[in-house]
Amino acid sequence: KAGVTQTPRYLIKTRGQQVTLSCSPISGHRSVSWYQQTPGQGLQFLFEYFSETQRNKGNFPGRFSGRQFSNSRSEMNVSTLELGDSALYLCASSLEDRVENTIYFGEGSWLTVV
Amino acid sequence: AQKITQTQPGMFVQEKEAVTLDCTYDTSDPSYGLFWYKQPSSGEMIFLIYQGSYDQQNATEGRYSLNFQKARKSANLVISASQLGDSAMYFCAMREGTGRRALTFGSGTRLQVQP
Repeated sequence: KAGVTQTPRYLIKTRGQQVTLSCSPISGHRSVSWYQQTPGQGLQFLFEYFSETQRNKGNFPGRFSGRQFSNSRSEMNVSTLELGDSALYLCASSLEDRVENTIYFGEGSWLTVV
Repeated sequence: AQKITQTQPGMFVQEKEAVTLDCTYDTSDPSYGLFWYKQPSSGEMIFLIYQGSYDQQNATEGRYSLNFQKARKSANLVISASQLGDSAMYFCAMREGTGRRALTFGSGTRLQVQP
C-alpha cells in the first residue's frame, strides 16, 4: 500500500513569506504528526493531529500551525518565514496514537528560506 | 534532561560484518515504545524495528534485531551481515504512553559500510 506522501519535496522561499506543506497519510491512519529536522537542533516534534483535532503541540512559535482534514490529510503552515526555518519537515502517520502503533514517515519536504 | 542518548556519532563497519548501534533512554513511564529509523541522504525516515516496554522478547526484523535491556534502559540495534546500502543515519526514538506521546529522537549515528 502507498506510504506517507509529502508535497512539495523541495521549495525555496524568501524571508517574510509563508509556506504550506501537505501530507497524505497511509490509508486508514488517523494520526498525523509533523517534525522539523535541522543540523543544529536535530529532530523536533511540531504537532500531532488525530481525527481533525490537534492533540499535542511542541515548543514552536505560533507562526507554525497545522490542520487535518476529514480524510486525514494534513497541512502545516509557517508564516513570516525566518532563515532559521530552513529545515527538513517530516510528516508521519500511524493507525492511532497508541504507544504500540508503528509510526511511518514520509520522504520529507526540504524548505530553504533565503 | 536528554531522554534518548546515542553516543556514537559515527561508525564504520566492513561489508558482511555485524554492527551494534547504541541507544540508552530515560523515562519514568512504565509504558513506552522504542523505535529505530534509518535515514538515507534522501531524507526519508525509514522504520526498521519496534520494541514495546512490556515485550518479553527482543524484537527482530530480518537483518535487524533490538537488544533490549530494560534494567539498563538500553535498546541497541544490531545489524547483521552489513550491506553497502546500510550506509545511512540511524535514529533511536522513544514514545511514552502518557503525556504528549510524540517521538523523542536521539542525535543519530552515521553508519558507513565499507567494501
